[in-house]
Parts: sequence; C-alpha cells; structure tokens
Amino acid sequence: SQQGEEDPQALSIQEGENATMNCSYKTSINNLQWYRQNSGRGLVHLILIRSNEREKHSGRLRVTLDTSKKSSSLLITASRAADTASYFCATGTYGNNRLAFGKGNQVVVIP
Amino acid sequence: DTEVTQTPKHLVMGMTNKKSLKCEQHMGHRAMYWYKQKAKKPPELMFVYSYEKLSINESVPSRFSPECPNSSLLNLHLHALQPEDSALYLCASSQEAGPNTGELFFGEGSRLTVL
Repeated sequence: SQQGEEDPQALSIQEGENATMNCSYKTSINNLQWYRQNSGRGLVHLILIRSNEREKHSGRLRVTLDTSKKSSSLLITASRAADTASYFCATGTYGNNRLAFGKGNQVVVIP
Repeated sequence: DTEVTQTPKHLVMGMTNKKSLKCEQHMGHRAMYWYKQKAKKPPELMFVYSYEKLSINESVPSRFSPECPNSSLLNLHLHALQPEDSALYLCASSQEAGPNTGELFFGEGSRLTVL
C-alpha cells in the first residue's frame, strides 16, 4: 500500500506563527486526510480533501491538494500552544479498504 | 454520540498471560479497525472488520486474535505475546470500509506493556 510522507518531520514555532506541513504520496488517491495526535492519545480527524478538490478550509486549518505533484499541505494559522501535537496525513486509494498513514510531523508551539 | 471507547487504558501482562482489549462504538458504523502504534511512528493497520466480518488481516501473528461479536463491539484477544508487542493499540471505526473510506473515529487507545 502507498505511504504518505510528511516533510518536515519536526517543527518548532512561536505561538501566533503559521505552521506548514507537507505530505507526498506515490499512487492515485481517492481522498487525503489529516489527523492530529496529542502525546499518548488517540488520533483526531482534522480534515478530508477529495481527489477532485484543490483546497479546503476548516477554522484555522487550510489544506491544499495537488494531484499532479501527488502532494498535499496542511497550514495551521495563528498557532496556539494547544496545537502542539503530531500531525499525520493518510491516503485512501481506489480498490483499497485501508488508509495509508504517513510518518507524521511533530509540531511544538512555544507559548 | 461520536465516541469510540477503549478498555482498558493501560494493560501490563506477562508473556504467558491471556488478556483482551475491548472497543465499543454507538455511531452505527459498519467498519471497525485495530491499529498498533509504536512511539514516534504512524499507526500500523492490523485488522479491518466490515459488517462484522473480517475483511483485512495484515499478516498479523496468530497471538493476536480479533473478534467482532456485533456491529458495536470489537475485541482483540492477546495470548503469548512478546515484549516487542508492547505498544499503543488503537481502535477506530468508520461508516463504511471500502474505496471511499472516509473519516476514521479513533479511541484513546490501550497502552500495552508485555513483560
């Protein structure tokens, strides 16, 4: 199964700054999702973008999808200390009952 | 109710023990999943149940035995585990499993330590 790969792996920013994470994948997808995981907790779904969509917003989150480059980005605007977490992208592909999770980004927001 | 509830939150077991992890959802979801997650790694899919039938087993060792008694419950039976099986075990559910797998709802996980 394909694997999303986020870049960069670790990001440390000041509160109020924007945080951007990227995800690349290898094969055609049906949808791409972003999840957040606080330390030792379960994953929380943030946003889903379908292969025919290019951009999606949810609150302070903005996700873009470029299927020609097989990549996606997650932007968190005006970051808060509570945004400190690991962020994973996950891809759903046609003919597959599973999501493939990327390696994850560790984001630390310094108050 | 948009919760997936997992019990126990923490479990310590010896290599000869038999224990079970439990997962429950009441969202009417027809797909349920077990994932294993090691520290600083992404979740790794273990099993997928769709309409109470096992649809995916990702070549998981037989010392892990899943069970789906009904559409709301998912168990993971553990027997003769190894220390390297220590991990966070996550249960998740979604409306359907399939090509249009949408949002997964995750439980908080069961932290397993094998001594």
